[in-house]
Amino acid sequence: EAGVTQFPSHSVIEKGQTVTLRCDPISGHDNLYWYRRVMGKEIKFLLHFVKESKQDESGMPNNRFLAERTGGTYSTLKVQPAELEDSGVYFCASSPLGQLYNEQFFGPGTRLTVL
Amino acid sequence: GENVEQHPSTLSVQEGDSAVIKCTYSDSASNYFPWYKQELGKRPQLIIDIRSNVGEKKDQRIAVTLNKTAKHFSLHITETQPEDSAVYFCAARGEKGFKTIFGAGTRLFVKA
Repeated sequence: EAGVTQFPSHSVIEKGQTVTLRCDPISGHDNLYWYRRVMGKEIKFLLHFVKESKQDESGMPNNRFLAERTGGTYSTLKVQPAELEDSGVYFCASSPLGQLYNEQFFGPGTRLTVL
Repeated sequence: GENVEQHPSTLSVQEGDSAVIKCTYSDSASNYFPWYKQELGKRPQLIIDIRSNVGEKKDQRIAVTLNKTAKHFSLHITETQPEDSAVYFCAARGEKGFKTIFGAGTRLFVKA
């Protein structure tokens, strides 16, 4: 079974540019999460999708971040315009519907550097 | 707001010794506590978890303990091996949804 995949693995952009990150969850997983880890700090929750619906977007930093999951399969996270403080590793995770205690399976992350 | 404090940030032990990582959570409604291990260049992976109705759980060389009254939980690794070297994250999740609050991570070095 393929795990959660993310693209790209690395992205280096200049302040003010736009970047779109992609996440493909494990097939059949209706729950999809985005997290971010800034250097040396906690893995911070950004938002949670159930299928195509946003269930909880309380962690989104501001309106420069837009997450979508059209069709309830893969998800994209767009940052526009990017700022220096957006640098970090963006993780996607997925889990099946059902029990609250289901393991969240993480992707390898996208390392975003904003210069 | 909700947060999880994790200590120490860095831990260095000799192979064969034990390692202990401690976490404290703020949301008393938290009832599920997973631990993730992230090896260098790899994705975080769940290594053990504990629910609030249990005080301790073991899986071979790793164990977790939970003190709900004090809102503390800990990871214990016995007989450490070089392959245990990684960053370990504690986390807490409540009843309200799937939002998981992570600690800042502990970088564990096991010296051969």
